[in-house]
Amino acid sequence: DAGITQSPRYKITETGRQVTLMCHQTWSHSYMFWYRQDLGHGLRLIYYSAAADITDKGEVPDGYVVSRSKTENFPLTLESATRSQTSVYFCASSQGVAGAQETQYFGPGTRLLVL
Amino acid sequence: GQSLEQPSEVTAVEGAIVQINCTYQTSGFYGLSWYQQHDGGAPTFLSYNALDGLEETGRFSSFLSRSDSYGYLLLQELQMKDSASYFCAVREPSGTYKYIFGTGTRLKVLA
Repeated sequence: DAGITQSPRYKITETGRQVTLMCHQTWSHSYMFWYRQDLGHGLRLIYYSAAADITDKGEVPDGYVVSRSKTENFPLTLESATRSQTSVYFCASSQGVAGAQETQYFGPGTRLLVL
Repeated sequence: GQSLEQPSEVTAVEGAIVQINCTYQTSGFYGLSWYQQHDGGAPTFLSYNALDGLEETGRFSSFLSRSDSYGYLLLQELQMKDSASYFCAVREPSGTYKYIFGTGTRLKVLA
C-alpha cells in the first residue's frame, strides 16, 4: 500500500531549466493538490485538480504548469525555474471535499534548490 | 484575501495542556482542519470541525466558533513527541476547492 509518493525527493537545478515534480497516489482519490512550503508562509496552494483533466489555479500559480491525464498522477512543472521557486513542494490528495472526506493526505515532499 | 492567524511559537512542559489558536478573516468557509508536521516530515491530519463546538480525538480536541471567527486545537497530557508545527486550514467558500493554511504554530514540549 504505497499511498501517495513524490519523486524526486531532492532536486538541484539551475535558473532557467525546466523541472517536473511527480506525484502518484494509489487510492484513486478524486482531488489532488500541490503546495509549496517556505519559512514564514506555511503551506500555499499552487494548483489543484478535482478529477482527471480538471485543474485550477491556487494562490501562487505563476511559473508553474500542471496536468492530470490519469487520476493517480498529478505532475507539477516549473517551466523556467527561478531562485524564488526554491522551496519544499508537497503533493496531497483527498477523497472528497466535504466532511471527513476533506482530509488531505500528503506525500513526503520534494526539496527543490534552484541555483 | 483570506487569512488564518496563528501564534508562531508555543512552549509547554510534558504532561501539561496547551491550546493553539487560529483566528480567521473570512466567512462562510466549509470547515476547519488541523494538521501536524514534524521537522522534515509531511503534514498529517489531526482533526476537523464541520460545525461549531468541540471535537475530541484522544488527547487532541479541536473547537470552532464561527460567530467569533475563532478556532483552537487543544493538546492534553503533552508528550515530547508532540513537539511539532501545527497548522489550521479551511476551504475557501468560493465554490472552488482552494485551501488556505495558517502560517503554523511551532510547539516545543520541554521535559
